[in-house]
Amino acid sequence: GENVEQHPSTLSVQEGDSAVIKCTYSDSASNYFPWYKQELGKRPQLIIDIRSNVGEKKDQRIAVTLNKTAKHFSLHITETQPEDSAVYFCAATPKTSYDKVIFGPGTSLSVIP
Amino acid sequence: EPEVTQTPSHQVTQMGQEVILRCVPISNHLYFYWYRQILGQKVEFLVSFYNNEISEKSEIFDDQFSVERPDGSNFTLKIRSTKLEDSAMYFCASSRDRGDEKLFFGSGTQLSVL
Repeated sequence: GENVEQHPSTLSVQEGDSAVIKCTYSDSASNYFPWYKQELGKRPQLIIDIRSNVGEKKDQRIAVTLNKTAKHFSLHITETQPEDSAVYFCAATPKTSYDKVIFGPGTSLSVIP
Repeated sequence: EPEVTQTPSHQVTQMGQEVILRCVPISNHLYFYWYRQILGQKVEFLVSFYNNEISEKSEIFDDQFSVERPDGSNFTLKIRSTKLEDSAMYFCASSRDRGDEKLFFGSGTQLSVL
C-alpha cells in the first residue's frame, strides 16, 4: 500500500522567510496529492492540492511542486507570517483507491515574529 | 460555508464499553470517512463509506468497529468494546464525489478510554 514520508518533522523560520516541506510517496499509481494545515486543537483543512498530470501549482504565497519520476512533492510557503504556524500534512491518494487518502507524519512549522 | 459537524466533542468511557461517535456530513456530499489521530501523530485512515456500504477500510478498522448511516443525514462510528489504545481524536470527513477527493473534516471527537 501507499506510504508517505515527510521532512522535516519540525521547522522554524523567521517571519518573512520561506518555508519548504518535502514529501515522498511509494505508490507510483498515486495521482492526487493534497496538503492539509492543522492549527493546534483544530481540524485539518485543505490548503492546496495537485494532480499527477501537473508539475506545479501556485495559490498566492503557497506553491506545490510534483516530481512523478522521483515520487516526491514539496510545499513552498513564501513571505511566512505568524499565522502560518501550524502542523502541515502532505497526503497521497492511490489511483486504485480514490477513497483512501494516506497522510504523511506531519511537519510542525513555527514562524517566529 | 457548509461544515461537517461532529458530536460529542469529548467522550470519556471505561475500557470495554461501547461508544458511538456521530457526524453530520455536508448535505450534498456522497462519500463519508472516519479518520483518527493519536495525540501528536499523523491522521490515520479508518474507513470510507459510499452508497450505504463500506468502500475501503484499513487494518485498524477491525471487528470492533462499525459504521452506519441510519438516516439521510447522520453517519456514525461505533466501537463495540473500547480499549485503552482507542484513545484518540476521531475525525469525520466528507467529499462531494469520487473524482473530487477534497476532504472536508469535522472538528473531531476526542475519545478518552480509561
